[in-house]
Amino acid sequence: AQSVSQHNHHVILSEAASLELGCNYSYGGTVNLFWYVQYPGQHLQLLLKYFSGDPLVKGIKGFEAEFIKSKFSFNLRKPSVQWSDTAEYFCAMNPGNGQNFVFGPGTRLSVLP
Amino acid sequence: DAGVTQSPTHLIKTRGQHVTLRCSPISGHKSVSWYQQVLGQGPQFIFQYYEKEERGRGNFPDRFSARQFPNYSSELNVNALLLGDSALYLCASSLDVGRVVVGEQFFGPGTRLTVL
Repeated sequence: AQSVSQHNHHVILSEAASLELGCNYSYGGTVNLFWYVQYPGQHLQLLLKYFSGDPLVKGIKGFEAEFIKSKFSFNLRKPSVQWSDTAEYFCAMNPGNGQNFVFGPGTRLSVLP
Repeated sequence: DAGVTQSPTHLIKTRGQHVTLRCSPISGHKSVSWYQQVLGQGPQFIFQYYEKEERGRGNFPDRFSARQFPNYSSELNVNALLLGDSALYLCASSLDVGRVVVGEQFFGPGTRLTVL
C-alpha cells in the first residue's frame, strides 16, 4: 500500500536554527514527491517538488529537499528558519503512473522569535 | 489569475442530510481532485476527475460521489452524513497532459463541513 510518514508531529525551534523535517514514503515504483506548506489561515501551497534528475531540489523561501531513493526519503531542510516559517508542513507523493496524491500526516513547525 | 475557488466556505448539517460542495479550477486546468482533511491529519484523497471522467477513487464509501462538468468545475456530493464526515474538504486542480499528472496540484481554501 502507498503511504507517507513524517517523523515529527510538532517541532519547536528558535529563529536562525536549522531545520530538517523527515519524510519517508512506501511505494515500489517511480514517484513524484512534494512538500506543501499551510500557513495559519491560508491554502496549501507548494514549497518544492521532485520529478526526476538532481535529487537535491530547491524551493521557495530558502527551502530545499533531498531525494534519497535507497532510503525512500525526501527530507525537507532550511539552514536558518524565521518566525514567518511557522506553519504545517506536508510531504506528499504521487506514483509515477499518474494516480492520486498521498499525503503524510503533517509536521507542525513553531518558530519562536 | 484567480486560483481554485470553492463554495461554500462553511457549512453546518445534521446527521442523515446530504451536502453538495462546489469547486472551480484554475483556468486551463482540466483535472480536479477532492480531498478530506480531518483536523490534525493530512489530506486524504477522495476522487480525481479528468475531462469529466473519474480517474481515481480513494478509500471512501459510496455515500461520496462527484462529477465534473464541461467547464471543468466539479461537485462533491455526500449522502447520509455522519458525524465523522466533519472535516475540511479541499479541491485541487492541476495542469495535466493526457491522462497523466505532470505537475503540482493547486489547492483551494476548502469548505469546512460540520455535521451535528
